[in-house]
Amino acid sequence: GAGVSQSPSNKVTEKGKDVELRCDPISGHTALYWYRQRLGQGLEFLIYFQGNSAPDKSGLPSDRFSAERTGESVSTLTIQRTQQEDSAVYLCASSLSWGESYGYTFGSGTRLTVV
Amino acid sequence: EDQVTQSPEALRLQEGESSSLNCSYTVSGLRGLFWYRQDPGKGPEFLFTLYSAGEEKEKERLKATLTKKESFLHITAPKPEDSATYLCAVQAAGGFKTIFGAGTRLFVKA
Repeated sequence: GAGVSQSPSNKVTEKGKDVELRCDPISGHTALYWYRQRLGQGLEFLIYFQGNSAPDKSGLPSDRFSAERTGESVSTLTIQRTQQEDSAVYLCASSLSWGESYGYTFGSGTRLTVV
Repeated sequence: EDQVTQSPEALRLQEGESSSLNCSYTVSGLRGLFWYRQDPGKGPEFLFTLYSAGEEKEKERLKATLTKKESFLHITAPKPEDSATYLCAVQAAGGFKTIFGAGTRLFVKA
């Protein structure tokens, strides 16, 4: 596609429920990243994919968070047993390769609200 | 630990009033420093990459510069449409992730 697409754009869930967030990167982009942005704060790195492997998942906050990627395509970020502190905007980005000098192309994010 | 600190947190300018945003960084070997613009409700939009001290990049009213410890984003004669949050980020040599600062919220009043 023309850009990075994320769905849903908004998600309200009850505490304790599981949620799945989806990211469709730009076609041909081998590198994919997930970031979390809490209100008024900077972007917090979660995980990096190169193809369908994840060389760096050091930013995942706990074992309730997991992510997978199918080939060089769609990625899903799953949060199990959601907590109120998980409320944030989850941003996905892609680039042609790791260390792309043109920077990342970001999606518009999924705003997650845990009530 | 790699770190990025941006100042000020917020900046209010009159249209045409030039100013600079600061990004201080600590990184174990800089691979690249990036500037992004973020509008409300949207993801960040890439502006510049800088690689070494002394390097400068320009785009319309924006100019980014880099030293060994800081980067500046200079805004010349800003317009209201320049209002946004500007994010600075660094990538360390040998690492995969890009570390972002908290951003500077810029408001330009007509």
